[in-house]
Amino acid sequence: KQEVTQIPAALSVPEGENLVLNCSFTDSAIYNLQWFRQDPGKGLTSLLLIQSSQREQTSGRLNASLDKSSGRSTLYIAASQPGDSATYLCAVRGYSTLTFGKGTMLLVSP
Amino acid sequence: KAGVTQTPRYLIKTRGQQVTLSCSPISGHRSVSWYQQTPGQGLQFLFEYFSETQRNKGNFPGRFSGRQFSNSRSEMNVSTLELGDSALYLCASSLNGIPDNYGYTFGSGTRLTVV
Repeated sequence: KQEVTQIPAALSVPEGENLVLNCSFTDSAIYNLQWFRQDPGKGLTSLLLIQSSQREQTSGRLNASLDKSSGRSTLYIAASQPGDSATYLCAVRGYSTLTFGKGTMLLVSP
Repeated sequence: KAGVTQTPRYLIKTRGQQVTLSCSPISGHRSVSWYQQTPGQGLQFLFEYFSETQRNKGNFPGRFSGRQFSNSRSEMNVSTLELGDSALYLCASSLNGIPDNYGYTFGSGTRLTVV
């Protein structure tokens, strides 16, 4: 059974810092990995999707990497802003389901 | 284009009642998946529908059921509600429900509170 772990569970940083969120999974037989953002009480917003054959994807200040063989992914956020405060969720894709980690709650202080 | 629409946004029900939640996927998407999110368990997969057929099911009791209509809209039903069913229920839409370059798009969810 696939298990996804996200570290740290919570992170508080001052504005402007670069930061890394970590995601690990136990079964490397995945199709892709998707990073989401969730604001309090809201749905999920897709940030980046990395196919299993890819090593990284970039969108603006976000960069996600994937090392499928070691079961790890990182989400790098450059020059963090207060508007980045949210919970970040990592999800690995089986054929037709997503398995989620518990998320990292990020607080960026002005 | 319109996103994934879930209705209602909030619901309060009493134990023992039943509830029906609705999800309209992105136009052209034929796969709808449902997830339950609670503080303790996080996000857990309930079931997936494709072309009106349940294609996959998570580990939830039979009180949780769903269906999909010919226009791809989906409903989820929970019967004999329990306090532990209080959660955010999220619907995810995808083109064909198979791995592709677009992944899943989620709705804003229905917040169900059972009292």
